[in-house]
Amino acid sequence: EAGVTQSPTHLIKTRGQQATLRCSPISGHTSVYWYQQALGLGLQFLLWYDEGEERNRGNFPPRFSGRQFPNYSSELNVNALELEDSALYLCASSLGTGVGQETQYFGPGTRLLVL
Amino acid sequence: GQQVMQIPQYQHVQEGEDFTTYCNSSTTLSNIQWYKQRPGGHPVFLIQLVKSGEVKKQKRLTFQFGEAKKNSSLHITATQTTDVGTYFCAVNSGNTPLVFGKGTRLSVIA
Repeated sequence: EAGVTQSPTHLIKTRGQQATLRCSPISGHTSVYWYQQALGLGLQFLLWYDEGEERNRGNFPPRFSGRQFPNYSSELNVNALELEDSALYLCASSLGTGVGQETQYFGPGTRLLVL
Repeated sequence: GQQVMQIPQYQHVQEGEDFTTYCNSSTTLSNIQWYKQRPGGHPVFLIQLVKSGEVKKQKRLTFQFGEAKKNSSLHITATQTTDVGTYFCAVNSGNTPLVFGKGTRLSVIA
């Protein structure tokens, strides 16, 4: 069974540009979560999507947005990139029972570097 | 919102020594999960605890959920170099997504 996949693996942008990160969940999973992990730090919750809808959002500015497609894959968009957005962005998926408490399976992440 | 404190932040041990990390919450938890992230890798689910006072074992790893369901611990007996990584607890207390602790980074000196 294929795990969570993310693309690209690495992304280099300059300040002010936009970045788009993609995630494909495990087959059968309907919930997708996005996290930001700055170097050496913990996981900061960004967004949670389930059945195509945004269920919850972390404490991040509106320039962090995303969506979930009918096939449950997801996209994270970061507009007006700032230097401090440089981090590992992790996507996770779960079965999606509606309350976001299930075991989460993580993808390998996208390393975003903003210059 | 829900917050969880995880201690210690770092732990360096000699190979063969034991290691424990603790996760504490100010509110009662519905369940707690533990994840491990190897250096350069991504978090991998280890276990979920649900019941008050629950103790689960995975080989040299022992996971415990407090009686009041406000704290949890992960204990590794006789650490090995393969145990190196960051251990995260993750909690929620209702209809909220998981909140991850800041993690405990374990270094094992051979």
